[in-house]
Amino acid sequence: GQQVMQIPQYQHVQEGEDFTTYCNSSTTLSNIQWYKQRPGGHPVFLIQLVKSGEVKKQKRLTFQFGEAKKNSSLHITATQTTDVGTYFCAGPTSGTYKYIFGTGTRLKVLA
Amino acid sequence: NAGVTQTPKFQVLKTGQSMTLQCAQDMNHEYMSWYRQDPGMGLRLIHYSVGAGITDQGEVPNGYNVSRSTTEDFPLRLLSAAPSQTSVYFCASSYKTGLGQPQHFGDGTRLSIL
Repeated sequence: GQQVMQIPQYQHVQEGEDFTTYCNSSTTLSNIQWYKQRPGGHPVFLIQLVKSGEVKKQKRLTFQFGEAKKNSSLHITATQTTDVGTYFCAGPTSGTYKYIFGTGTRLKVLA
Repeated sequence: NAGVTQTPKFQVLKTGQSMTLQCAQDMNHEYMSWYRQDPGMGLRLIHYSVGAGITDQGEVPNGYNVSRSTTEDFPLRLLSAAPSQTSVYFCASSYKTGLGQPQHFGDGTRLSIL
């Protein structure tokens, strides 16, 4: 079946360093969503990408959707302690309304 | 608005017991879904619904039942609890199906099966 993998699984950075997580799908995605989950919390929607090659920015966060619409990335510039959490990508399986979540990247920011 | 409300927040069950996890949303969302989250495994889709009276299976539906009699409510039933169903359960909703809409999650139900 369709799989969505994320790397790395864990990342520890010093505050102020940059961070990137990568999301790879085994199949083409019509769109991709990114979520953030704080420790002990629930996933919170960050952004959705729809177009091939699309790049969107939210302050220090940059999201990219690959040309083949099978991969995506989230880059955080100059991390802050408030960026701590797990970042998930999610995409719909082809022809269905089922969303498959990636395995997540857990970010820890050391002050 | 309350958003997506899940009850209970915590529950401990014995093996073989049954129970219903409640989920309600007040945003008039068409799409609702249930996920379970286990350590290191992300979120896995159990069941979902694209509208009242319509439900379908996700990745891991075995041992769970759902129904959608109203737009607002989407309860998840554990038929005969097993230790493998120990997990955190999240309900989510979104405005429309189709190309994709942001999913709004509840606070989760932490379920332990002894």
